[in-house]
Amino acid sequence: EDKVVQSPLSLVVHEGDTVTLNCSYEVTNFRSLLWYKQEKKAPTFLFMLTSSGIEKKSGRLSSILDKKELFSILNITATQTGDSAVYLCAVAPTSGTYKYIFGTGTRLKVLA
Amino acid sequence: EAGVVQSPRYKIIEKKQPVAFWCNPISGHNTLYWYLQNLGQGPELLIRYENEEAVDDSQLPKDRFSAERLKGVDSTLKIQPAELGDSAVYLCASSLAGPPDTQYFGPGTRLTVL
Repeated sequence: EDKVVQSPLSLVVHEGDTVTLNCSYEVTNFRSLLWYKQEKKAPTFLFMLTSSGIEKKSGRLSSILDKKELFSILNITATQTGDSAVYLCAVAPTSGTYKYIFGTGTRLKVLA
Repeated sequence: EAGVVQSPRYKIIEKKQPVAFWCNPISGHNTLYWYLQNLGQGPELLIRYENEEAVDDSQLPKDRFSAERLKGVDSTLKIQPAELGDSAVYLCASSLAGPPDTQYFGPGTRLTVL
């Protein structure tokens, strides 16, 4: 059975800390892995990863994929209270099988 | 650029009543998705459209759920009759093309069935 597992389930840090969120997967016909940030509103796209070992960066956020070990990490440096959200990991299979497989998310709370 | 628009934002109904949700995707996006998200869970895909064609609806409970995307732009998702277990957030997303193209989500409709 295809599955995506995220850890930790929740995390509380102080402003300025660095956090690492984990996403492991068991999916047949893997094509890409996506990270979303979900606050009270809609999830917003962060990164899409298709190749191993290539780091994607956006400001204080970065992510990398390991297709051999079947996991991805999302790093957030110098955290701010605005980073508080649920971070969702999803795996997209190859075309022909449309279904995205989501993890249940990591809830991050950044304290001032 | 306007994002994905959904309405209503909130809906409260009694069980066995019908309900409909509307979604307007980002202009030019051919692929439209409807997701269901329960509290504490990730979004679960219900149906995906490529233009006006439902390319996969195997996750849609067809006894009570239906969806349409006339003219390949706006879409509606209907539940008739609603059950208590249908209470959730219904998310619409769109992308330029099918997976794994980046999906952009609307704000969602929070449905409460009493």
